[in-house]
Amino acid sequence: QAVLTQPSSLSASPGASASLTCTLRSGINVGTYRIYWYQQKPGSPPQYLLRYRSDSDKQQGSGVPSRFSGSKDASANAGILLISGLQSEDEADYYCMIWYSSASVFGGGTKLTVL
Amino acid sequence: EVQLVESGGGLVQPGGSLRLSCAASGFTFSIYSMHWVRQAPGRGLEWVSYISSSTSTIYYADSVKGRFTISRDNAKNSLYLQMNSLRAEDTAVYYCSANYYGSSGYYYDYWGQGTLVTVSS
Repeated sequence: QAVLTQPSSLSASPGASASLTCTLRSGINVGTYRIYWYQQKPGSPPQYLLRYRSDSDKQQGSGVPSRFSGSKDASANAGILLISGLQSEDEADYYCMIWYSSASVFGGGTKLTVL
Repeated sequence: EVQLVESGGGLVQPGGSLRLSCAASGFTFSIYSMHWVRQAPGRGLEWVSYISSSTSTIYYADSVKGRFTISRDNAKNSLYLQMNSLRAEDTAVYYCSANYYGSSGYYYDYWGQGTLVTVSS
């Protein structure tokens, strides 16, 4: 089982909100980790969006709109990237990442379609 | 302006070697931790290797351990990845990335545009 699991795809309408999940493998407690979120558009490198561990330990990337926010669902052992007021330019691949066992681990990515 | 520019990619036969470079500018390279991250065609991101600012700590993904070597030259603002015994599954765009936690806890994270490595006969 992968360390981080993301749904492969998600669709949402312009103006709506999208909740992207990043589920940690059983036995790895989401409360312990800072979860980093990246956006990648076709032909471009990943861009850092934000990191979230708790409401007192979070940070927005430089220039990243406040429409992007992080949270956690402890009951689901998952990190969440919430994008509100979806815009067509938000269509991209989104990756979560944690530092785990002396390695940086990425989730498989979620392709967000805005239609 | 922050810039990370990778170079050294290309076509190589299975079992061959390549050395990737990443030239940094626009920030204080010597205080940043550095990573190599790769992305196979049509696939997701895969972390490859990490080196601390002082080179005292180095980590590798299991998939490249024993074949790849990361290094840096802070005097030249450069990061390197020596890749030996290359396999078809190493075919990917290789990105270098730079990370730093400032004194206030602010996290800096930069990525290069990547260089393509193709392993094929």
